Amino acid sequence: EVQLVQSGAEVKKPGESLKISCQTSGYSFTTYWIGWVRQMPGKGLEWMGFIYPDDSGTRYSPSFEGQVTISADKSITTAYLQWSSLKASDTAMYYCARCPLREKRPFDIWGQGTMVTVSS
Amino acid sequence: QTVVTQEPSLTVSPGGTVTLTCASSTGAVTSGYYPNWFQQKPGQAPRTLIYDTSNKHSWTPARFSGSLLGGKAALTLSGVQPEDEAEYYCLLYYGGAYVFGTGTKVTVL
Repeated sequence: EVQLVQSGAEVKKPGESLKISCQTSGYSFTTYWIGWVRQMPGKGLEWMGFIYPDDSGTRYSPSFEGQVTISADKSITTAYLQWSSLKASDTAMYYCARCPLREKRPFDIWGQGTMVTVSS
Repeated sequence: QTVVTQEPSLTVSPGGTVTLTCASSTGAVTSGYYPNWFQQKPGQAPRTLIYDTSNKHSWTPARFSGSLLGGKAALTLSGVQPEDEAEYYCLLYYGGAYVFGTGTKVTVL
């Protein structure tokens, strides 16, 4: 069974750094892209970017380029989303998802989400 | 900035049929935008229903179907069930980038 299990909820202060994780299992991690999606409270879904774990190639939405960093560790089949300096506006639910882009079916299996709260 | 627009809300009776649409600010939506459709219920992660315009996943109920309609991507729910009450999002491909639609809240009443 394909599973993506995300790290737990985080409460941080503005200016702090954060790295959240997305641990995968049940398929070949290096075969498919992994995508990240933001959902601010009461709002819609926003595509943030992708990573291809085999070569760590990344693709970012222009809205998120330079604001976050997506990475992956093949040895533990885990993808990451990180911030160097959080802002209150980063408060949101973040989802990772498997993305078989070549098969034209992005975001086919989703993680459960990680809630990030940034507040002073 | 590209905007993908959906109806904010739609109401349908149990057993009825409803069609949701997905329009692009860049012009007509074609198969080359590889439309995807997702369902999200309150407090849950999204779940994918339709990919590449009209293809269903193994878990997609038969009452859901995807198509292109009048220059937009469309998701039709036929024989609506109470459990279909949810938010629905489309996703379009723009040459390496993806944009989610604004979402449609479907109420079954």
